[in-house]
Amino acid sequence: DQQVKQNSPSLSVQEGRISILNCDYTNSMFDYFLWYKKYPAEGPTFLISISSIKDKNEDGRFTVFLNKSAKHLSLHIVPSQPGDSAVYFCAASARNDYKLSFGAGTTVTVRA
Amino acid sequence: GAGVSQSPSNKVTEKGKDVELRCDPISGHTALYWYRQSLGQGLEFLIYFQGNSAPDKSGLPSDRFSAERTGGSVSTLTIQRTQQEDSAVYLCASSRKTTGFATNEKLFFGSGTQLSVL
Repeated sequence: DQQVKQNSPSLSVQEGRISILNCDYTNSMFDYFLWYKKYPAEGPTFLISISSIKDKNEDGRFTVFLNKSAKHLSLHIVPSQPGDSAVYFCAASARNDYKLSFGAGTTVTVRA
Repeated sequence: GAGVSQSPSNKVTEKGKDVELRCDPISGHTALYWYRQSLGQGLEFLIYFQGNSAPDKSGLPSDRFSAERTGGSVSTLTIQRTQQEDSAVYLCASSRKTTGFATNEKLFFGSGTQLSVL
């Protein structure tokens, strides 16, 4: 039972443009959300997170938006760079839970 | 070491054989997780260790899977009588504490073991 869903398995974007990655969740107990980035042959690395008390968190070129009523979050990358080509995983946890639930990932390809 | 270390990086085995996957977490990290990613799927939680507490084994898919963590550090995931559906990338992760991710805790992942069962 997939509680975190990333319905777009892949995304191709031109360098300099915006990348928008979407994530939906079903568990209303989730209150903390993270994005991880994964390069081939490497483990996922933490990118950015957001708590349910916020609807936006920004870190440089990366911004995460949270819409709790829709149980939806998105990651914006502006401007996209070739080094952003990777798999991006959305993850979520409930308060005081030690487990993360992950989506299946979205593969982003940034074209020069 | 500086990061989470996993070995081997690749393992090819025949159906029915046993395999052992090793994880060396970041020094000082008390929490250790095993996840796996099958083709086209998200990361699936397998097992969680925290200090000397009893592990949370709720994610282990069958009794062919077991894991141990010796001395609160290195962990070994064992799969007995491997099946083709066990083929996946097995990822180990560690973190400093377990009061919940809302405290801005993060998981640090190893590079994973690609297991292929023929």
